[in-house]
Amino acid sequence: QKEVEQNSGPLSVPEGAIASLNCTYSDRVSQSFFWYRQYSGKSPELIMSIYSNGDKEDGRFTAQLNKASQYVSLLIRDSQPSDSATYLCAVKSDTGRRALTFGSGTRLQVQP
Amino acid sequence: DTGVSQDPRHKITKRGQNVTFRCDPISEHNRLYWYRQTLGQGPEFLTYFQNEAQLEKSRLLSDRFSAERPKGSFSTLEIQRTEQGDSAMYLCASSWGQGDEKLFFGSGTQLSVL
Repeated sequence: QKEVEQNSGPLSVPEGAIASLNCTYSDRVSQSFFWYRQYSGKSPELIMSIYSNGDKEDGRFTAQLNKASQYVSLLIRDSQPSDSATYLCAVKSDTGRRALTFGSGTRLQVQP
Repeated sequence: DTGVSQDPRHKITKRGQNVTFRCDPISEHNRLYWYRQTLGQGPEFLTYFQNEAQLEKSRLLSDRFSAERPKGSFSTLEIQRTEQGDSAMYLCASSWGQGDEKLFFGSGTQLSVL
């Protein structure tokens, strides 16, 4: 079982719709959760971080965390073609390790 | 703040050769990470420095890989006796190690081993 699992996609949504991206993780002591966006041929860039159960909103982005279910999601409202990218979920354990563990990413396509 | 800089952007080498990559982190960042990414996969952790101390290495990291961060500034990653399986994008990231662990990635070095 992979430590961080994501559906590879592609997830295709029409422009203006809500895109929902999901991620599950296996390490119960994980404490910090991040969403990175990676455009094709570019490096990852941080878009959201979340540490507590519940929702965290930042503009059109909402991160949701449920530690009991070991589940984190990212919602993108009013999706734009410029949101088309691969979204990487990353998790940091609370075991003293500093390294982030990344999922394989979900490719999002927003259709104009 | 000029961002994380990596050099070279691309490297083509023959199997068995040694290669070295350089990373210059954001100047005030004390933490530096090396990751490797292949097509269709997320970044895979290789090693981590806090200042000049190498504090973590992936269990998957072969003995052919070595990294340094002299004086806690730039870092180098060397791969000895390269193999075709080493072909990947090598990403460097840095962070300011207080609280929130927000990594800022460089543009990466694309390694092709022929």
